[in-house]
Amino acid sequence: GAGVSQSPSNKVTEKGKDVELRCDPISGHTALYWYRQSLGQGLEFLIYFQGNSAPDKSGLPSDRFSAERTGGSVSTLTIQRTQQEDSAVYLCASSVSQGSTEAFFGQGTRLTVV
Amino acid sequence: GIQVEQSPPDLILQEGANSTLRCNFSDSVNNLQWFHQNPWGQLINLFYIPSGTKQNGRLSATTVATERYSLLYISSSQTTDSGVYFCAPKYIFGTGTRLKVLA
Repeated sequence: GAGVSQSPSNKVTEKGKDVELRCDPISGHTALYWYRQSLGQGLEFLIYFQGNSAPDKSGLPSDRFSAERTGGSVSTLTIQRTQQEDSAVYLCASSVSQGSTEAFFGQGTRLTVV
Repeated sequence: GIQVEQSPPDLILQEGANSTLRCNFSDSVNNLQWFHQNPWGQLINLFYIPSGTKQNGRLSATTVATERYSLLYISSSQTTDSGVYFCAPKYIFGTGTRLKVLA
């Protein structure tokens, strides 16, 4: 597609429920990144995927968070048993490859846990 | 992992003023970007600048990779420049500089 697409744009969920957030990267981009931004804060790195390599999961805050990338394209970030502190904007970015290339961001998914 | 520090954390300018934002990072990098996050939350790519100097209109950036810092220059600031400026060496973001330009 023309840009990185994320869905839904907004999600309100009850504490304890599971949520799935989706990211469609730019066509042909092999690297994909997930970040989390809490209100008024910077971007916290969560995970990145590069082609068929094992993902770098070093930023995932707990085992309630997981992500997968099917067919080297679309990625889904899953948060199980959501907590109020999970409320944030979740941002996805993609780049041609991991390393010396420019990354482009989607509009984000605003998650509110009530 | 890489540590990223940005300064100043907050900046208020009168319209028309110039400013310099700084980004220090702890590891050598082959990848560094500057972004502007507008008041609506959208991240806008400003520069991809792992080394050297680039200019785009009133903005320019310089990265000195050997000394592990990058600078973003804003000249003749406008109210639309308000927002948060992030540097991201190796896709790791600093805490940003929050800029407000007053009319």
